[in-house]
Amino acid sequence: EDQVTQSPEALRLQEGESSSLNCSYTVSGLRGLFWYRQDPGKGPEFLFTLYSAGEEKEKERLKATLTKKESFLHITAPKPEDSATYLCAVQDPLDTDKLIFGTGTRLQVFP
Amino acid sequence: EPEVTQTPSHQVTQMGQEVILRCVPISNHLYFYWYRQILGQKVEFLVSFYNNEISEKSEIFDDQFSVERPDGSNFTLKIRSTKLEDSAMYFCASSEGSQPQHFGDGTRLSIL
Repeated sequence: EDQVTQSPEALRLQEGESSSLNCSYTVSGLRGLFWYRQDPGKGPEFLFTLYSAGEEKEKERLKATLTKKESFLHITAPKPEDSATYLCAVQDPLDTDKLIFGTGTRLQVFP
Repeated sequence: EPEVTQTPSHQVTQMGQEVILRCVPISNHLYFYWYRQILGQKVEFLVSFYNNEISEKSEIFDDQFSVERPDGSNFTLKIRSTKLEDSAMYFCASSEGSQPQHFGDGTRLSIL
């Protein structure tokens, strides 16, 4: 049973072309949703934590939002250096610390 | 900025051999984790470690796997008798509280 689903699998954008990545989750009693960036051959790099519906976090060209069923990562006026795989993860709904990851969205931004 | 460091970056091992993957977590962190990522698949949880003991482990983490914090800075994952299906990227992570977790750049394990 998929608990975290990300879409699209891949996204190609022109530099400056804003878009959004989606992460839907089916866990009940969300304890935390996390966005990570992963460059090829590297580990996931922490971006944001969201805990409750309506919460928003921003960092440079990225903004993460959360509803009761999904999260969006909005990328405004992306640059080629934003090219990476963006991973969404939720904290296990049981009383543990483990993260449950989605398969990621591979973003390519062309100049 | 403090970071999690992992060694080696790439490990090639014959099937059936033992392998130890090493991690140096961020210095003031108290929670430690191992995850793995098989090529083209999701990042999967293996084990969490706190207060010198395993706090949780997944079904993947069977008797062939063990973790240890041999001193105040290192955190290791040992696979006793490797199988072909153990080939993957292995990521160590640490956190100050239970979240957020900060990841190292991984060890690519190739089993021949």
